[in-house]
Amino acid sequence: SQELEQSPQSLIVQEGKNLTINCTSSKTLYGLYWYKQKYGEGLIFLMMLQKGGEEKSHEKITAKLDEKKQQSSLHITASQPSHAGIYLCGAALSSQGNLIFGKGTKLSVKP
Amino acid sequence: EAGVTQSPTHLIKTRGQQATLRCSPISGHTSVYWYQQALGLGLQFLLWYDEGEERNRGNFPPRFSGRQFPNYSSELNVNALELEDSALYLCASNWGGPRTEAFFGQGTRLTVV
Repeated sequence: SQELEQSPQSLIVQEGKNLTINCTSSKTLYGLYWYKQKYGEGLIFLMMLQKGGEEKSHEKITAKLDEKKQQSSLHITASQPSHAGIYLCGAALSSQGNLIFGKGTKLSVKP
Repeated sequence: EAGVTQSPTHLIKTRGQQATLRCSPISGHTSVYWYQQALGLGLQFLLWYDEGEERNRGNFPPRFSGRQFPNYSSELNVNALELEDSALYLCASNWGGPRTEAFFGQGTRLTVV
């Protein structure tokens, strides 16, 4: 079974709309990372969250890590075509562990 | 400051051959992670090196191996290539462990024919 579950798998939104992507783990997360990937390219680092309840924002993207550190959400406000791509959450499931990743959420933004 | 660099960008090999992929981490980073991204399968963890040692290994056969050099650059070797090894291979680096930001290279596209 997938240790990091992302939802939804894909999302099509109209430009200007808000959207939320979720990342859930059955275990405590040690460092939660959000990345964006254009098809066939490398991953672009967006944000890292460590503490329960932590929230970070960059431009129109906000990410939160819940208090129990088992779920994170990525929220995009007033989406633009430039936000289109695949969003991946990554996390370590132990304090010394490597990063594992969810399967990603494919976001399309219609002009 | 240079990011994580990977070479080559593309690699075409014949089944049964060996492939060598290279990764140079961001200056100062001691950890290198390797991932395989095959079509439809997401990022699968391959190997983690830190301070020259292998720290963890994903669920891949022994023909996937690698090493980290004293300058922290890393090499991934894939022996006895199979068609299913065709994928985008991504390398990431950070200062070690899950407490610091990890940055990815652009990847090496390996095609096995």
